[in-house]
Amino acid sequence: EIVLTQSPGTLSLSPGERATLSCRASQSVSSSYLAWYQQKPGQAPRLLIYGASSRATGTPDRFSGSGSGTDFTLTISRLEPEDFAVYYCQQYGSSPFTFGPGTKVDIK
Amino acid sequence: EVQLVESGGGLVQPGGSLRLSCAASGFTFSSYAMSWVRQAPGKGLEWVSAISGSGGSTYYADSVKGRFTISRDNSKNTLYLQMNSLRVEDTAVYYCAKAGYCSGGSCHNWFDPWGQGTLVTVSS
Repeated sequence: EIVLTQSPGTLSLSPGERATLSCRASQSVSSSYLAWYQQKPGQAPRLLIYGASSRATGTPDRFSGSGSGTDFTLTISRLEPEDFAVYYCQQYGSSPFTFGPGTKVDIK
Repeated sequence: EVQLVESGGGLVQPGGSLRLSCAASGFTFSSYAMSWVRQAPGKGLEWVSAISGSGGSTYYADSVKGRFTISRDNSKNTLYLQMNSLRVEDTAVYYCAKAGYCSGGSCHNWFDPWGQGTLVTVSS
């Protein structure tokens, strides 16, 4: 089983600032099969990024994903008020399709 | 528009059973793998189970293997999760989710979209 670790656990930033979220895998994620999701309180998760760097339909271009192998990053170039949420990474290269524990981005 | 609507959640005693359903619309259901993902109160996401478009292949997390059974009825565009021998730690919101991309019977299992979820509470 591939274990995903996300850091930091919480990121306190102000609107307009840049956010950098990390996701590290316990072993290489095949073909960069890594996705990122955003979840707001009381809502289902929403896909942001798949294939490590491809934006899903409707994902604003201030969100970008990068990385390969065991190290992946989600960057939000300039935080908007609606971006304060919890972000999860997920690998789908092999079953079980594991998630990271999440990074909460909150308002400083 | 793709829609997934879960139902069947509720309160059940430890050791009991429950069957969840997920009604799908807006896409060719039989062409896509589907998954169940759960989220315990205040916790993160945990993938539970997946099934291929044909229903011929199923996959489970170790935490539910032998107790949960995933199935689908492609004639009804409906996904199911039969949950037996329920434990307190199975308490969670259960989401169904569609695989992101499928072609020629092979799927990439990122999840998009997700249903709104159904709450399962296991308690005496």
